[in-house]
Amino acid sequence: KAGVTQTPRYLIKTRGQQVTLSCSPISGHRSVSWYQQTPGQGLQFLFEYFSETQRNKGNFPGRFSGRQFSNSRSEMNVSTLELGDSALYLCASSLVVPPQQYFGPGTRLTVT
Amino acid sequence: DQQVKQNSPSLSVQEGRISILNCDYTNSMFDYFLWYKKYPAEGPTFLISISSIKDKNEDGRFTVFLNKSAKHLSLHIVPSQPGDSAVYFCAASAGETGANSKLTFGKGITLSVRP
Repeated sequence: KAGVTQTPRYLIKTRGQQVTLSCSPISGHRSVSWYQQTPGQGLQFLFEYFSETQRNKGNFPGRFSGRQFSNSRSEMNVSTLELGDSALYLCASSLVVPPQQYFGPGTRLTVT
Repeated sequence: DQQVKQNSPSLSVQEGRISILNCDYTNSMFDYFLWYKKYPAEGPTFLISISSIKDKNEDGRFTVFLNKSAKHLSLHIVPSQPGDSAVYFCAASAGETGANSKLTFGKGITLSVRP
């Protein structure tokens, strides 16, 4: 069974721009979670989607948003990028109920 | 406020010996705990988990111990192998229902296994 895939793997954006990251979960997995990893803060939970509904949300500003499609694929969007948004963004999927989640390789976002 | 703490940033052990990775938590609502391993340029890989109704869970060379009264868990790797060299994250969840679906991670510990 194919693992969690994320696209793109690497991205360079300029401050003030917006970005959309994509995640395809493992087939059959209905829950998709997003995390931000930075050297100083470690992995921090952004939000989780299940059946196209946001079910849980972390402590991030409204510039961070996401959605899930009927095929369980998910996207996250960051608007008005700031330098501090440079990070590895990880997507994880699980069968029905977390907490055992399976992670993708991540998207490395660099904001200049 | 960091609810999951991995106080040692790094650990170095000799191949064949035991590696003990520690994790402390402060939130008494946490009732499910996981360990993940992460190599550079890859996403975290699930290793082993434990529910709060247990105090030990074993899977091959990996054993996780949970001490609820001390709010402490540890991951034992025996015997340690060079391929175990990676960053290890401890994570916790408050409930297995969908309403509490987020994982709270520690900052990780870098394990180096010397040949």
